[in-house]
Amino acid sequence: DQQVKQNSPSLSVQEGRISILNCDYTNSMFDYFLWYKKYPAEGPTFLISISSIKDKNEDGRFTVFLNKSAKHLSLHIVPSQPGDSAVYFCAASAFNFGNEKLTFGTGTRLTIIP
Amino acid sequence: ETGVTQSPTHLIKTRGQQVTLRCSSQSGHNTVSWYQQALGQGPQFIFQYYREEENGRGNFPPRFSGLQFPNYSSELNVNALELDDSALYLCASSPKREQETQYFGPGTRLLVL
Repeated sequence: DQQVKQNSPSLSVQEGRISILNCDYTNSMFDYFLWYKKYPAEGPTFLISISSIKDKNEDGRFTVFLNKSAKHLSLHIVPSQPGDSAVYFCAASAFNFGNEKLTFGTGTRLTIIP
Repeated sequence: ETGVTQSPTHLIKTRGQQVTLRCSSQSGHNTVSWYQQALGQGPQFIFQYYREEENGRGNFPPRFSGLQFPNYSSELNVNALELDDSALYLCASSPKREQETQYFGPGTRLLVL
């Protein structure tokens, strides 16, 4: 059972435009959400996170939105740059699981077109 | 500040063999987690170590085992390798058990023939 879902395997966006990556989750126990970016032959790099007590968190060009009632989060990248081309993973955790295991989605490959 | 490092970067083994993968956590981090990433999938949680004790385990059989050392470095051992164990193995560390943000190493790519 996939508890974190990224339904778009790929996304292409023109340079300078907004990239919107989506993620849905099913487990209402999740209370912390993260986005990671992964280049080939490298480990995932942490981008931005959000706690369930917030609905928005912003860091430079990256903004994460959380809609708890819909169990949905999204990552906005504005403006998109060629270096943003990578695979993006959404991940979730629940403090009261007793450990901080991250549950990941299957990823969305973002391609920025120059 | 040194990030998370893993060794080796690549490894080829045959079915039935045993393998040990190593991870050095980021300086100051006392919690280490291991993940398996199969091709086209997201990372799957194997287990986590906190202060040398296993602190949670995912849906992996007992032939996957680990250790954490006093300096917080860690090992992942896999016995009786199967073809499906071919994957990228990722180590992640965090400053404390309650810190949800985990920082990943570059991974070890294991191929089982």
